[in-house]
Amino acid sequence: NAGVTQTPKFQVLKTGQSMTLQCAQDMNHNSMYWYRQDPGMGLRLIYYSASEGTTDKGEVPNGYNVSRLNKREFSLRLESAAPSQTSVYFCASSEAGVSGANVLTFGAGSRLTVL
Amino acid sequence: DQQVKQNSPSLSVQEGRISILNCDYTNSMFDYFLWYKKYPAEGPTFLISISSIKDKNEDGRFTVFLNKSAKHLSLHIVPSQPGDSAVYFCAARKTTEKLVFGKGTKLTVNP
Repeated sequence: NAGVTQTPKFQVLKTGQSMTLQCAQDMNHNSMYWYRQDPGMGLRLIYYSASEGTTDKGEVPNGYNVSRLNKREFSLRLESAAPSQTSVYFCASSEAGVSGANVLTFGAGSRLTVL
Repeated sequence: DQQVKQNSPSLSVQEGRISILNCDYTNSMFDYFLWYKKYPAEGPTFLISISSIKDKNEDGRFTVFLNKSAKHLSLHIVPSQPGDSAVYFCAARKTTEKLVFGKGTKLTVNP
């Protein structure tokens, strides 16, 4: 059982380049999320998708776009990468966002460096 | 405005002793609190949660205590093991809303 799979694991970009981080989950979860983790900043929500066909901004959405391709896949796109977007990106999914503890299952992360 | 605060960036304890990780929150509307553990080069993994209607939840060596009047929760690990060395994130949510994470505390358990 793979859980949440992210690709690529590592990527180096030059300022201004674009790229897409891919995420897929095989747990039939309704909700999916993209977080970034920076030193001393914890986990900050970029975008989330409560269900297939919906997406909403999180705490730090500027410079990013997302696509909920289907129930399994949620991609994060950087249209014009900036050094401030150097970070580790985590995709996560959860069963539902309405009630309960809403435990998130995270992927292994994608380390992005923008030069 | 940081709603979930972990004021200790790091903590070091001896193997076999108790580890206590603390977390404070500002939003009295939070109704669930969670702890996640993160090893280097891996994603965070869920450890334990507690509902706001409880004041304690225990799972093996891990116990979470909630003090609503102080807006404070703590994670106790007894006994601590070297494999517990990781970054621990506290998180909280209001029903229907997203999790809010603290900045994390790096726990080092020395053999």
